[in-house]
Amino acid sequence: SQTIHQWPATLVQPVGSPLSLECTVEGTSNPNLYWYRQAAGRGLQLLFYSVGIGQISSEVPQNLSASRPQDRQFILSSKKLLLSDSGFYLCAWSVKVQGEDGHYGYTFGSGTRLTVV
Amino acid sequence: GDSVTQMEGPVTLSEEAFLTINCTYTATGYPSLFWYVQYPGEGLQLLLKATKADDKGSNKGFEATYRKETTSFHLEKGSVQVSDSAVYFCALTLLYGQNFVFGPGTRLSVLP
Repeated sequence: SQTIHQWPATLVQPVGSPLSLECTVEGTSNPNLYWYRQAAGRGLQLLFYSVGIGQISSEVPQNLSASRPQDRQFILSSKKLLLSDSGFYLCAWSVKVQGEDGHYGYTFGSGTRLTVV
Repeated sequence: GDSVTQMEGPVTLSEEAFLTINCTYTATGYPSLFWYVQYPGEGLQLLLKATKADDKGSNKGFEATYRKETTSFHLEKGSVQVSDSAVYFCALTLLYGQNFVFGPGTRLSVLP
């Protein structure tokens, strides 16, 4: 079956420290991968998406970066965290759903709650 | 650009009350429409979807009908339960599109 793993579940980091959040997908190949952020009381903001190994598109310029070293691995990083980086980070993947032309199904991980102090 | 608008709430209802959460969209193409639910402390789960006009998505007693003429996809449930307390997100993706556009989310609290 297809599953998505995201860790850690919670993280408290001091301002200026580095960050590395990891997301891995099982049971599918060549998925599209996404990082979203949900700030407290707000909606979802797309940060990065990737259609293949080494291919990263950034939606919002900021001090975060993403990498895709393997087909089913997506990493969100920062060299120096800011207070404003606090939020709930969600990884997601999508593939074309069989039988529904052009309709991309979307599956989310369980999220990482990051608090920068 | 493409966007989704939904009532932000919070919405507070008593158990067994009728629920409607409004969602309207603007899109440059012909979108597929979705409702996602986020329970406290968890990620998002797909609740239901509709891929063409007049389609009705349904799951767990929730329903939403794709109305192209009014560009709407309102979420309804006839009798809510305490366990339905969550944040509900309306979203769209364009045909052959790769990215979703989400609404701001509506927080629902159901009181016993």
